[in-house]
Amino acid sequence: QVQLQESGPGLVEPSGTLSLTCTVSGASISPSHWWSWVRQPPGKGLEWIGEIFHSGSTNYNPSLKSRVSMSVDKSAKQFSLRLSSMTAADTAIYYCVRDKRIAEIGFDYWGQGVLVTVSA
Amino acid sequence: EIVLTQSPGTLSLSPGERATLSCRASQTVSSSYLAWYQQRPGRAPRLLIYGASSRATGTPNRFSGSGSGTDFTLTISRLEPEDFAVYYCQYYGGSPYTFGQGTKVEIK
Repeated sequence: QVQLQESGPGLVEPSGTLSLTCTVSGASISPSHWWSWVRQPPGKGLEWIGEIFHSGSTNYNPSLKSRVSMSVDKSAKQFSLRLSSMTAADTAIYYCVRDKRIAEIGFDYWGQGVLVTVSA
Repeated sequence: EIVLTQSPGTLSLSPGERATLSCRASQTVSSSYLAWYQQRPGRAPRLLIYGASSRATGTPNRFSGSGSGTDFTLTISRLEPEDFAVYYCQYYGGSPYTFGQGTKVEIK
């Protein structure tokens, strides 16, 4: 049973940097998948933030590219998101996701999500 | 960037009725990379359909997907109480991967 669990602070100050980690269980971080982050502002739709491969290769959404970085730790079965210069518009539920597009399958496993609020 | 437009925004139906949800892409896309997700209140999205028409593991067969080019459809043949939720389409064939704005299926 594949499970993903986000961890990190639920409150970030304006202009601060968000750091989230996703821990994977029931699967390895292997060449079979990419690993993505998706966010959802309260009451709104889904936005893809970016993805990382086991090798450390990344793809980011151009709308966030200047503020995003991702990293992976295969041995710990974790991948991480950093989002800088946070504003109220970045308040959202952040999900980590297994991205199985290599097999043309889509985003097949999602974490439960963590609500991040940007406020002083 | 592929823009996905879903319609209608809200669908009001009764249990047992048929639901038809639409997703239109801003340009021709490969159906191999078109997915549908269900999101119940307070829950993470769940993959229902991938490759436009293939059911994901655990997806009941009352859910079916179809379409090609720019027009895609998710059909729920007979609504069960647990099907009242928000549904999103997604294109994952090229970065950035985009989602439609969602269709809410509510109880009439």
